Amino acid sequence: EAGVAQSPRYKIIEKRQSVAFWCNPISGHATLYWYQQILGQGPKLLIQFQNNGVVDDSQLPKDRFSAERLKGVDSTLKIQPAKLEDSAVYLCASSYTGENEQFFGPGTRLTVL
Amino acid sequence: SQQGEEDPQALSIQEGENATMNCSYKTSINNLQWYRQNSGRGLVHLILIRSNEREKHSGRLRVTLDTSKKSSSLLITASRAADTASYFCATVKTGANNLFFGTGTRLTVIP
Repeated sequence: EAGVAQSPRYKIIEKRQSVAFWCNPISGHATLYWYQQILGQGPKLLIQFQNNGVVDDSQLPKDRFSAERLKGVDSTLKIQPAKLEDSAVYLCASSYTGENEQFFGPGTRLTVL
Repeated sequence: SQQGEEDPQALSIQEGENATMNCSYKTSINNLQWYRQNSGRGLVHLILIRSNEREKHSGRLRVTLDTSKKSSSLLITASRAADTASYFCATVKTGANNLFFGTGTRLTVIP
């Protein structure tokens, strides 16, 4: 069974630029999550989708972050414009249901200069 | 804000010894999960324990849950160098269906 795929693996941009991350979850997983993990901390949930609907985006900085999952499968997370404090690893995860184990992708390491 | 806190923040042991990590959380939960993260394999689910369970085993892992104290512990027996990683507890709050991660314990197993 293929795991959660993410791209790119690494991205370096300058502040105020835009960036987008892509995630393809495990086939059949209805729930998809985006997390932000700052160095030395645990992952923090940014947004949760159930199929193509948003379940929880309470911690998403909506003035600069956006995410979509148009066909209920893959998803994109965008930051526009980026700030220095957005430097982190962005993790995508999927699960059958929200309360069960989650399967994580390898993450995208973003560096904002 | 993050739900849980792991203790200790860092732990260094010799190969073959046991490692114990603790997690405290703040609200009532549906279940608690432990994850491992290392550079080679990313973040991987280890074990899930439900709020009505008190202990669970999986191979060399033993997890306990005390809902009255809002705490959990993860015991890794007969540690190996490959167990070197960061370990996170994560909770699913009652009435919610997403995870809140703790701050993590960095485990180093010395060969």
